[in-house]
Amino acid sequence: DAKTTQPTSMDCAEGRAANLPCNHSTISGNEYVYWYRQIHSQGPQYIIHGLKNNETNEMASLIITEDRKSSTLILPHATLRDTAVYYCIVGTVAGNYKLTFGKGTLLTVNP
Amino acid sequence: GAGVSQSPRYKVAKRGQDVALRCDPISGHVSLFWYQQALGQGPEFLTYFQNEAQLDKSGLPSDRFFAERPEGSVSTLKIQRTQQEDSAVYLCASSYLAGSVYEQYFGPGTRLTVT
Repeated sequence: DAKTTQPTSMDCAEGRAANLPCNHSTISGNEYVYWYRQIHSQGPQYIIHGLKNNETNEMASLIITEDRKSSTLILPHATLRDTAVYYCIVGTVAGNYKLTFGKGTLLTVNP
Repeated sequence: GAGVSQSPRYKVAKRGQDVALRCDPISGHVSLFWYQQALGQGPEFLTYFQNEAQLDKSGLPSDRFFAERPEGSVSTLKIQRTQQEDSAVYLCASSYLAGSVYEQYFGPGTRLTVT
């Protein structure tokens, strides 16, 4: 599976958009980008995934560059409860079930 | 609705003791996963069940680790003769999909401390 690079930490003001970047320059054509987050003392929580088109759900938006070498997770109106470690994961869908977490980005939303 | 539950939430074991960690997945979920998370690290895959069949145990760190899911629902992760390096949070996840990296629903984890 392709590796990902994320900043170690980021800060965001409450109510503002949080934009979390992820580099995955070695991504293969059949590999998706997945995002999970882990709030302190909880298990990880699935957020969103995409292949090459931008995706949006009730939690976030995922923007994938045209060359698919990087992506950005956007939380449009960050709240204090969005403070968590955010993991960007790359992998295939078919026959793949192992989530390979890196160290992720610690997003701190400040009041 | 009820999510994935794990028990106990915290476990302290003396080195050499055996421990058993329980996972109750979401009802009807086909897939069940165990992950180990060391302090400050992301979770690492241990093993995968599809119904009662253990299809992948490649992540189990040693033969002291054993997992089962006899009726395709509740699962138990057993660690024999615990060692200090086994101290970690053990996470269980389930999915209604048969083997997928997305839509895995995680429990809160069991924090194991070996003294």
